[in-house]
Amino acid sequence: EAGVTQFPSHSVIEKGQTVTLRCDPISGHDNLYWYRRVMGKEIKFLLHFVKESKQDESGMPNNRFLAERTGGTYSTLKVQPAELEDSGVYFCASSQGRGRYTFGSGTRLTVV
Amino acid sequence: KQEVTQIPAALSVPEGENLVLNCSFTDSAIYNLQWFRQDPGKGLTSLLLIQSSQREQTSGRLNASLDKSSGRSTLYIAASQPGDSATYLCAVINDYKLSFGAGTTVTVRA
Repeated sequence: EAGVTQFPSHSVIEKGQTVTLRCDPISGHDNLYWYRRVMGKEIKFLLHFVKESKQDESGMPNNRFLAERTGGTYSTLKVQPAELEDSGVYFCASSQGRGRYTFGSGTRLTVV
Repeated sequence: KQEVTQIPAALSVPEGENLVLNCSFTDSAIYNLQWFRQDPGKGLTSLLLIQSSQREQTSGRLNASLDKSSGRSTLYIAASQPGDSATYLCAVINDYKLSFGAGTTVTVRA
């Protein structure tokens, strides 16, 4: 079984630019999640998709962040415009129901 | 709001010693609890998943216990090896949302 795939693995952008992160979940997993870790802090929940619908986006920090999951398959997380405090590692995870969560390797975002 | 605490924050042991990592959580109404391992610059690798109805789960040298009523889980790693050096994260699951602790960074000295 292929795991959760994220790309790019690293991204360095200037403040004010736009970045789009992509996540391909495990095939057949209806639940897809985005999490992030900013420097020195715990990993925090951003949002949860069930198929193509946003189930919970209570963790999204502000309206500069937009997540989509077209057709209930892969998901994108766009940050526009990026700010310095958005730097961190963005993780995607998927699950079948509330069973085992499988995480991707993460995208390390650096905003300069 | 669920709060997850992991103690100690860091641990250094000689090879062969057993490891005991602690996790506590404030809201006992959890669905599952999952232990992960993270190597530097890498993603999260799932180690063990304990369902709320279970008391423990074992895989090889790893054993995790769960006491929901007291809000605690413990990860035991037997006969540690240098390859066990990593950060270990505890995550509790409430209503599909994972709440993570800050992790315990383990160093096993050869």
